[in-house]
Formats: sequence, structure tokens, C-alpha cells
Amino acid sequence: KQEVTQIPAALSVPEGENLVLNCSFTDSAIYNLQWFRQDPGKGLTSLLLIQSSQREQTSGRLNASLDKSSGRSTLYIAASQPGDSATYLCAVTTGGGNKLTFGTGTQLKVEL
Amino acid sequence: DARVTQTPRHKVTEMGQEVTMRCQPILGHNTVFWYRQTMMQGLELLAYFRNRAPLDDSGMPKDRFSAEMPDATLATLKIQPSEPRDSAVYFCASGLAYTNTEAFFGQGTRLTVV
Repeated sequence: KQEVTQIPAALSVPEGENLVLNCSFTDSAIYNLQWFRQDPGKGLTSLLLIQSSQREQTSGRLNASLDKSSGRSTLYIAASQPGDSATYLCAVTTGGGNKLTFGTGTQLKVEL
Repeated sequence: DARVTQTPRHKVTEMGQEVTMRCQPILGHNTVFWYRQTMMQGLELLAYFRNRAPLDDSGMPKDRFSAEMPDATLATLKIQPSEPRDSAVYFCASGLAYTNTEAFFGQGTRLTVV
């Protein structure tokens, strides 16, 4: 059974700092990995999707990397802003059917 | 602007009552998922449909929960009878199987059973 772990569970940083969120998964036979953002009381917004054949994806200040063989992904946020404060979730798909297994999330707070 | 639409957004009900949650997936998507989110358990998969056929509902308490797709534009999740421990946010998501594309989530239904 696939298990996804995210560390740290919570993170507080000053504005402008670069930061890294970590995600690990136990079964390396993934189809893809997706990073989501969730604001309090809201749904999930997809940030980046990395296919199993890819090593990284970038979108603006976000960069996600994938090391499938070691079962790890990182989400790098450059020059953090208070608007980045949210919970970040990673999820993996095992098999091609889009069925996602989620990590427990990292709650990020970026302070002025 | 394609999006997954869930109704209602909020529901408060008394224990023992039937609850029905609805989801309209993105047009053309062939997979639909129901997830439940709680503080203790995080996001758990309840049910999964592909081309309207249920593929996996192992995460769903079968005695009280049921999920259906009457047609390609509507998915429903029913709880009967509801219990206080069912209080959670229920998310619907849709996607395209085997295309390595993103899954898109609705805004969720926040259910409170008192």
C-alpha cells in the first residue's frame, strides 16, 4: 500500500526566504506526482504535476523535483511571500487512472 | 472556465438523516473521485469511477455510504443514516485516465452532523 509522508508538518518563515518542502513515498512505481495548495476552508488547487519520466517542473517561483528511485519529491519556493501561506499537499498516482494518494501536508506561514 | 462543481457547499444535519452530495465533473473527464478530509485522517479516497463504472470503493463504509454516477455529468455521494463521525469536508475531483494530466478538485461540501 502506497504511503506518502510530508515533512515538516508546519513551517514558519520570514518573507523573502527561499524554502523547501519535502515529500516521500514508499512505492516508487508511480505514474505521476502532483503538488497542491489548499487555503483554509477552500478546495485544492493544483500547482505542478511531474510525470514519472520527468525530473522537475517549474512554474513561476515554484520548482518541483522528483527522484522516483528514492521515493522523494521536493517543492522549492523562491522569495516567499505572505500570500504563499497555505497548506501544501503532495499526492502520487500509482497506475494511470489518476487515483491520488495524499500526504498529510505542510502548513506554511510566511510572516511579514 | 472548466471546473468541478459541488453542491451544497455546506450542510448541517441531524444524526440519522440522509445526506446527498452532488458533483458535476469537468465536461469530457472520464474519472471521478470522492475524497473525505478530516483533521485526524487527512484526505482519504472513498470512491473512484471511470467511465461511470465504480472501480474502487474500498475506502467507503458500505453500510451507510453509497456513490453513483447516474450520468456522465453527475456524481452523487449519499450517507444514510448519517452519524456525527461523518462530519468532514467531502471533495469531488475529476480527471482523464491514462493521459498524465492533472486531477481537478471541487470546492468541497462541508458536512456537519449534530
